[in-house]
Amino acid sequence: DTAVSQTPKYLVTQMGNDKSIKCEQNLGHDTMYWYKQDSKKFLKIMFSYNNKELIINETVPNRFSPKSPDKAHLNLHINSLELGDSAVYFCASSQVRTDTQYFGPGTRLTVL
Amino acid sequence: LAKTTQPISMDSYEGQEVNITCSHNNIATNDYITWYQQFPSQGPRFIIQGYKTKVTNEVASLFIPADRKSSTLSLPRVSLSDTAVYYCLVGSGYSSASKIIFGSGTRLSIRP
Repeated sequence: DTAVSQTPKYLVTQMGNDKSIKCEQNLGHDTMYWYKQDSKKFLKIMFSYNNKELIINETVPNRFSPKSPDKAHLNLHINSLELGDSAVYFCASSQVRTDTQYFGPGTRLTVL
Repeated sequence: LAKTTQPISMDSYEGQEVNITCSHNNIATNDYITWYQQFPSQGPRFIIQGYKTKVTNEVASLFIPADRKSSTLSLPRVSLSDTAVYYCLVGSGYSSASKIIFGSGTRLSIRP
């Protein structure tokens, strides 16, 4: 059983398009996250979401918008994709914000 | 912000003990220190977490001095399968997503 799953695993698209990445966790956790890992392998948090409270990293462009239909899902929607958005995006979840985070397998986004 | 600094890479041999140090001079009172392991094409996986002194589990030990400005992950008797990138994470994440900060990661290579 996969604890944190993401779809799709790979996403190739053109500049200017809008795309979404889905994340689901079956751990019953209250907090979910989105991270971006660039080509240099730096892991940077983008958002954390806890019981309808969205905490945003202020460096994230507003083209990125997380959407949480329920506690088990936190999807990432990206508008007007740019070349610099190419990266691996990881979803994660934890019981509380200070607790161990469980990461998904990642979605490799390539913008052409 | 509690920025972290780790060595970019380390090499060791099977059966040796490996110690990876992370510096976090500006760690806040509420911050925990967590270490994650990441294999290629996978999401990070939790190894160990601590607040102060020493923590040990079946995988590793974490040493944190009294001033908490650094921490050392200790891997006993490493094997080839321990080859991975190790990240130090400092944060409590209560009020700002940007307060969850991963280090740049240490690429550990284990040789036979």
